[in-house]
Amino acid sequence: DAGITQSPRHKVTETGTPVTLRCHQTENHRYMYWYRQDPGHGLRLIHYSYGVKDTDKGEVSDGYSVSRSKTEDFLLTLESATSSQTSVYFCAISGTPSTDTQYFGPGTRLTVL
Amino acid sequence: RKEVEQDPGPFNVPEGATVAFNCTYSNSASQSFFWYRQDCRKEPKLLMSVYSSGNEDGRFTAQLNRASQYISLLIRDSKLSDSATYLCVVINTNAGKSTFGDGTTLTVKP
Repeated sequence: DAGITQSPRHKVTETGTPVTLRCHQTENHRYMYWYRQDPGHGLRLIHYSYGVKDTDKGEVSDGYSVSRSKTEDFLLTLESATSSQTSVYFCAISGTPSTDTQYFGPGTRLTVL
Repeated sequence: RKEVEQDPGPFNVPEGATVAFNCTYSNSASQSFFWYRQDCRKEPKLLMSVYSSGNEDGRFTAQLNRASQYISLLIRDSKLSDSATYLCVVINTNAGKSTFGDGTTLTVKP
């Protein structure tokens, strides 16, 4: 299995609070991704990174920000969590964005009350 | 219309059956294709890549039909352990964009 960890694995928070999810990889892959997975919507890309300090938006980026200060870490922040952000969040990594496969972390279950 | 569409199922089949899933895509510029497997409350894991010439891995066969813009996954001699959700992924290399289907759920019963 690819060396990807996510923390926390589970979190319950209240509306309006900030939340930061962490993705850590030991594979030295250049590309990192944050997805959310919801019933009826499948996996949707939130943000991705193509290098240290290089990030870009995905299809559902509103309400989320990311940072990547080191190759191995990619942080996802919900500045002010809302109930619509209750979801399962997956981090993924790949060597290239195109033909390389993506390897996923174990996921974080976030509940916003 | 979604860029990538899968029949959500569920597909309920007996052990030993052969089952096939299709995944259609709308962007003709798509160039790379994969099938992932996702167990309940787990992360997606790569099952196999899909090549134009078709490829086989044991009981699993994946094929690509560019003319009709779909990929398929065939599972022969189904096992109880094949029960999972199968996700297709379509990649537009030029845009560096991966699009996942919503998944097809398979349940193999004794």
